[in-house]
Amino acid sequence: EPEVTQTPSHQVTQMGQEVILRCVPISNHLYFYWYRQILGQKVEFLVSFYNNEISEKSEIFDDQFSVERPDGSNFTLKIRSTKLEDSAMYFCASSPGLAVSRQYFGPGTRLTVT
Amino acid sequence: SQQGEEDPQALSIQEGENATMNCSYKTSINNLQWYRQNSGRGLVHLILIRSNEREKHSGRLRVTLDTSKKSSSLLITASRAADTASYFCATVPFSGYSTLTFGKGTMLLVSP
Repeated sequence: EPEVTQTPSHQVTQMGQEVILRCVPISNHLYFYWYRQILGQKVEFLVSFYNNEISEKSEIFDDQFSVERPDGSNFTLKIRSTKLEDSAMYFCASSPGLAVSRQYFGPGTRLTVT
Repeated sequence: SQQGEEDPQALSIQEGENATMNCSYKTSINNLQWYRQNSGRGLVHLILIRSNEREKHSGRLRVTLDTSKKSSSLLITASRAADTASYFCATVPFSGYSTLTFGKGTMLLVSP
């Protein structure tokens, strides 16, 4: 089965630094997502992306976050100035279609902000 | 309670027993999905049930959906130690957007 890949698997950064989390969605998928999971808590939606623009975002996705599809394969999440509370597992997902389709999740990037 | 609340929060059973996890939600949905997560790892999609479906099977998994009660259940039959994981339900709203709203999950421990 095709897979979503994410790099790095673990990122440690200092508070205030910028981080970029990378994802390679499944090649023929059209919809891309970022979710996060703070340790011990539930998975939370951050943003969805379609046709080179954000289609939906949550309250968590404030001005310090941005997403980009810089080329035909990568999908990135940038956090401009990290805070301690940004420490979480970040999951990328992709799907071939909208609501009726399952989403395929990557293995996640564990972000630790110190 | 919030959208996609599972119960119980934790379930401990012996190998060979069945495990039932429940999920309740609040808003109208397009579909409901169940995911599994091994400790600290990624999310594995198990099964998707659409709002016009009442029951679905996949191997040892059986999912039911009751839209009148806004609830779903996941049954794992003949459980194995390898089924030990956290199980989450996630709903997709009726609105047409594809955002998944996850519950807090049920932590299942299957002892040999």
